[in-house]
Amino acid sequence: GAGVSQSPRYKVTKRGQDVALRCDPISGHVSLYWYRQALGQGPEFLTYFNYEAQQDKSGLPNDRFSAERPEGSISTLTIQRTEQRDSAMYRCASSSPGGANEKLFFGSGTQLSVL
Amino acid sequence: KQEVTQIPAALSVPEGENLVLNCSFTDSAIYNLQWFRQDPGKGLTSLLLIQSSQREQTSGRLNASLDKSSGRSTLYIAASQPGDSATYLCAITMDSNYQLIWGAGTKLIIKP
Repeated sequence: GAGVSQSPRYKVTKRGQDVALRCDPISGHVSLYWYRQALGQGPEFLTYFNYEAQQDKSGLPNDRFSAERPEGSISTLTIQRTEQRDSAMYRCASSSPGGANEKLFFGSGTQLSVL
Repeated sequence: KQEVTQIPAALSVPEGENLVLNCSFTDSAIYNLQWFRQDPGKGLTSLLLIQSSQREQTSGRLNASLDKSSGRSTLYIAASQPGDSATYLCAITMDSNYQLIWGAGTKLIIKP
């Protein structure tokens, strides 16, 4: 696609429910990143994929958070048993060919609100 | 541990002025530094990327400089316009590690 697409744009859920956030990167981008951003702060790294391989998940806060990218394109970030502290903007980014000197392209994000 | 600071947190200037946004970091062993723009309801847009071996990058009215030894980067915006109003964030990559370490941003308002 023309840009990084994230869905849903907004997600409101009740505490304890599971949520799945989707990211469709720019076609051909091999690297995909998930970040979380609280209001008034810079983004916080969650996880990184190179093609379908999850290279780093050190930023995932706990085992309720998981991510996958089974075919090396679309990625899903899943949060199980959501808690109010999970409320934030979740941002996906992609880059090509994947080196650290490549600019990142971010999607518009998913605003998650856990009630 | 690398820490990235952006001061001020907010800045308001009249249209047409030239301005400088500041970013400081504590560990000079960076791989690169990027400046991003964030608009409400939209994604983050990468404006300029400066590799550690470079001193500056330019794009249109924007010029970003990097001084690793002093742990500073500046984003210079010439002839500011109301459309430049946004939050500007700097982010650092360390030693080819792909993780970005972010500042909290400077919210810029350009008054018509």
